[in-house]
Amino acid sequence: DADVTQTPRNRITKTGKRIMLECSQTKGHDRMYWYRQDPGLGLRLIYYSFDVKDINKGEISDGYSVSRQAQAKFSLSLESAIPNQTALYFCATSDLSWGGQFFGPGTRLTVL
Amino acid sequence: AQTVTQSQPEMSVQEAETVTLSCTYDTSESDYYLFWYKQPPSRQMILVIRQEAYKQQNATENRFSVNFQKAAKSFSLKISDSQLGDAAMYFCAYRGTSGSRLTFGEGTQLTVNP
Repeated sequence: DADVTQTPRNRITKTGKRIMLECSQTKGHDRMYWYRQDPGLGLRLIYYSFDVKDINKGEISDGYSVSRQAQAKFSLSLESAIPNQTALYFCATSDLSWGGQFFGPGTRLTVL
Repeated sequence: AQTVTQSQPEMSVQEAETVTLSCTYDTSESDYYLFWYKQPPSRQMILVIRQEAYKQQNATENRFSVNFQKAAKSFSLKISDSQLGDAAMYFCAYRGTSGSRLTFGEGTQLTVNP
C-alpha cells in the first residue's frame, strides 16, 4: 500500500468552481506539504503544516487554502478555480530528523 | 534566500554508459541537506539520493553517486551503467536544517538511448 495517497488523481473542472484535493499518509509523519508543479518551473510550495494546529503559507499560497483534519490528512482547496491553476499538485510528508520528503503520486488538475 | 540551479535542461546517454547531471545552489547556511529526485513519466517523485552537508563523504546508492563540493556549492549526480528505466526528469533539491521546505531546481530531462 502507498504511504502517501492523493485523491483524485485527475480532475477537470470549470472556472469559478470550488475544488478540494485530499492527501492521506500512513508514514506517521507530523509534517505535510502541498506543492504545485508547472512545466519548466520545478515544484513550488503552496502550504505546509508541522502539526494539526500549525499551518503556514508557502511561496505561492494566493488562491489556495488548506485544512489539516488529522495528523494523517491534509487537504488543499481552490475556492474559485481559475485556468492558471491548471497544474500538477503534489502532497508530501517528512519528519525532521531525516530531512527529505516523501511524495504522493500527484493530482493533475485542469481548469477550463 | 536559497536557490538551486540546474543548467542542463536536457541530457542524453547511451544505455550502459555513464552520465553526470549538474546542480549548483546558493545558501548562507553551513548545515543543510541536498537531494536528487527522479520523476519518470508516471509523474511520481522518487527520492534517488540524499547528502548531508556536514558529511564529507559523497553519498552512493547502487549505480547512483554524487560529487558534493561544499565550497563550490556544487552537487552533481552520476549515473553509472545507465538503463532505459533511468529515463526521467531529475530534480536537485535543497533543504536547510532549520527550514521547512525543499527548494527545487528546474529539472534536467534525461533520455537513455538503446
